[in-house]
Parts: sequence; structure tokens; C-alpha cells
Amino acid sequence: AQTVTQSQPEMSVQEAETVTLSCTYDTSESDYYLFWYKQPPSRQMILVIRQEAYKQQNATENRFSVNFQKAAKSFSLKISDSQLGDAAMYFCAYRIRGSTLGRLYFGRGTQLTVWP
Amino acid sequence: DGGITQSPKYLFRKEGQNVTLSCEQNLNHDAMYWYRQDPGQGLRLIYYSQIVNDFQKGDIAEGYSVSREKKESFPLTVTSAQKNPTAFYLCASSISGGHYGYTFGSGTRLTVV
Repeated sequence: AQTVTQSQPEMSVQEAETVTLSCTYDTSESDYYLFWYKQPPSRQMILVIRQEAYKQQNATENRFSVNFQKAAKSFSLKISDSQLGDAAMYFCAYRIRGSTLGRLYFGRGTQLTVWP
Repeated sequence: DGGITQSPKYLFRKEGQNVTLSCEQNLNHDAMYWYRQDPGQGLRLIYYSQIVNDFQKGDIAEGYSVSREKKESFPLTVTSAQKNPTAFYLCASSISGGHYGYTFGSGTRLTVV
């Protein structure tokens, strides 16, 4: 079974500080994609960052970066210089590369609060 | 602009009634998905469709039905057999294979009254 675990139901950070959200996944596959989605209070799901498992280089999108540890099956999200607009629920997701089904497996989410 | 439209945003249903949630996309995506979101449960897959006139059950399909008569449309019917239908429902679409993740609609909040 494909599972994604986010062990931190809630996290908080001071504005301008850095926070790291954890994600681990369980799979027997060697090639896959990993994603972080953000769901603000509007509940619109927004893709934050994407990582291809066969690429060793960690993905970066402006203030968002990942620490991808394939052997440990870990995919954490680091948010630098946190802003009030970063407050949201964050979901980690996983998808097998090459699968015709195309479904994503999601974790249960981490609720991030940003304090001014 | 291309995107996914879910309607209505809020929906109220009496117990014992069927209700249909609409999902339309103009992204020319082949695949479409329905997820249910409950507090602390994350997103759970209800149904998905890779091509027109074909769809598969997800992890929690009982009490739900779908159709895929057009590429652009993937409506979800919540039947009276669904014992706990109050939830937030998200529709998503992707290119074939979903390599770049999903594009999501803005969701429908269904409440049973």
C-alpha cells in the first residue's frame, strides 16, 4: 500500500523565521513524484513544489525548498522568511511514475500558523 | 483562462435525498478525480476517470456514483446510501498520468440537514 505520513498535525512559526514541515512515505517503487500542496482558508488547493525522485537535486521555488532523502523516504518542506500569507494547511503527496492511473496519495496535512 | 469550476460552492441536502455536485474543466485534461476532505483525514479518493466513458472506484466509493460522458465534465452524485455525506468535496484534473500534479477546483461544501 502507498502511504504518506505527516507527523505534525500543527506547526507554528514567527513571521520572517524558517519552518520545516515533515513528510515520510512508504513505497516499494523506485521512480515517483512528490508534491507539496498548500490549502489556505479559501480552501483552494495550490501546488507549492514538485520533486522527481530520480533527480538528486532538491527542488526550490523562491522561499520554498525541499529536503528529499530517498533512502529514508523523507520529503520535508522548508519555508524561509515566513509570511502571514503562508498560513495554511499543507499536504504532502506522492505519485508513482509510469503508472497509467495517475492518482496522488495524500498525507493528512499539517496546519501552519504564522504569528506576526 | 483555463481552470476547473465546481458548483455549487455550498449545498444543503435533506436526509434520504440524492444530490449531484458539478465539476467542469476547460484544460483539455484527460484525467479527473473526486476527493473528499474531512478534518484530520486529509484527502480521500472517491472516484477517478482516465478517459471518457470510463471510471474507477477509489478508496471510499460506497454511497457515491459518477459519470464521464464528456471529457470536460465529471459530476459526482452523493446518494442516500452514503451514511455520512457532510464534508468538503474537491474535484481535480490532470494531464494523462498526472506527472505534474493536479489542478483543483475550489470545492463544494455539502451539509446534510
